[in-house]
Amino acid sequence: AQKITQTQPGMFVQEKEAVTLDCTYDTSDQSYGLFWYKQPSSGEMIFLIYQGSYDEQNATEGRYSLNFQKARKSANLVISASQLGDSAMYFCAMREYNFNKFYFGSGTKLNVKP
Amino acid sequence: KAGVTQTPRYLIKTRGQQVTLSCSPISGHRSVSWYQQTPGQGLQFLFEYFSETQRNKGNFPGRFSGRQFSNSRSEMNVSTLELGDSALYLCASTSSWGNYGYTFGSGTRLTVV
Repeated sequence: AQKITQTQPGMFVQEKEAVTLDCTYDTSDQSYGLFWYKQPSSGEMIFLIYQGSYDEQNATEGRYSLNFQKARKSANLVISASQLGDSAMYFCAMREYNFNKFYFGSGTKLNVKP
Repeated sequence: KAGVTQTPRYLIKTRGQQVTLSCSPISGHRSVSWYQQTPGQGLQFLFEYFSETQRNKGNFPGRFSGRQFSNSRSEMNVSTLELGDSALYLCASTSSWGNYGYTFGSGTRLTVV
């Protein structure tokens, strides 16, 4: 089974609108962390937001928030008020702390339209 | 503090040659991982080093090797280059057991001709 699943290869959003990028995960490790990275065309992976498996509240970082539903094993990224500079690939990732493993999803390419 | 530094940024090599890529992690980070990214295969894990020891290894042929030095700097070597090795190679570092993921470098874009 895939450890990280991102079912949206590509998405379009209108500038200033909100967008949700989906991510589901699979793990038997009780201690894990979920991450979202942004990769613009330049290639660098930019860390956006983190959610620990024991965190009860959803993480937020500026315009980014992570909708964490532990029972459903989902960790969707919500970007509010999209900007043209948000156009990039977005990767969901998981770190299993007890198993010491790190997994990436296949990514979602987000295009923000003016 | 300085981020993860990868050198060189771009590289063009000929089939059959070998190449060495370098990665300097964030100061204090002892774990360094390498990933290969291609349009067709996405991000694929190569290997991870911690305190000069290879801790994890992905499913790549033996032509791909790496090492880590006592200052945590890491090198990745690819011998007998093939056209399919053309990719973006990303290095990432992390603290030992911290609650954060990896910090990535800007990558080395390797083109094999």
